[in-house]
Amino acid sequence: DAGVTQSPTHLIKTRGQQVTLRCSPKSGHDTVSWYQQALGQGPQFIFQYYEEEERQRGNFPDRFSGHQFPNYSSELNVNALLLGDSALYLCASSTGLAGGPRGETQYFGPGTRLLVL
Amino acid sequence: AQSVTQLGSHVSVSEGALVLLRCNYSSSVPPYLFWYVQYPNQGLQLLLKYTTGATLVKGINGFEAEFKKSETSFHLTKPSAHMSDAAEYFCAVKESAGGTSYGKLTFGQGTILTVHP
Repeated sequence: DAGVTQSPTHLIKTRGQQVTLRCSPKSGHDTVSWYQQALGQGPQFIFQYYEEEERQRGNFPDRFSGHQFPNYSSELNVNALLLGDSALYLCASSTGLAGGPRGETQYFGPGTRLLVL
Repeated sequence: AQSVTQLGSHVSVSEGALVLLRCNYSSSVPPYLFWYVQYPNQGLQLLLKYTTGATLVKGINGFEAEFKKSETSFHLTKPSAHMSDAAEYFCAVKESAGGTSYGKLTFGQGTILTVHP
């Protein structure tokens, strides 16, 4: 059973460019969450998708946007890249809304390391 | 709002010694609590979680944690450290249903565990 997969593994962009990161959830999972992990810090929640809609959003500007497809895979788009967007971007998948009373676990992919020059 | 504080950004132990990583949280509703481990250049792997029921939770690789509501703590322990335990550990909290930010994980800053031979 494949776990959460992300592509690409590494990416180098320049300031002002746009980037798209991709995530395929674990088999049987329908909810995808995205996190940004800056160097030396814990992951920060960007947003969560369920039933192809953004259900919750963290404290990130509108430059960060996403999409979920009917097969539950997801994309994270970042426009007008800044140097501060350099980070490891983690995708996590789970079942349901990941916030129900059962406390479903979020399973993480290996991440995409983005470097903005 | 929920938050997590991990006391000690670096912890160093000898092989065979007790491992104790500290985590305190705040949450407006009963929380779900998680410990994740991150090895260099990898994503996050779940060690254990507390949702409801028994407050002493056992996880993988010999780790366990105890939920203490009165102390708002969820410290991670392992009786005997192994060299392979060297990694970064993250404590995370998720609000149960009814919270305004349910569904998202809020992480601490992480604790880097070093194990000396």
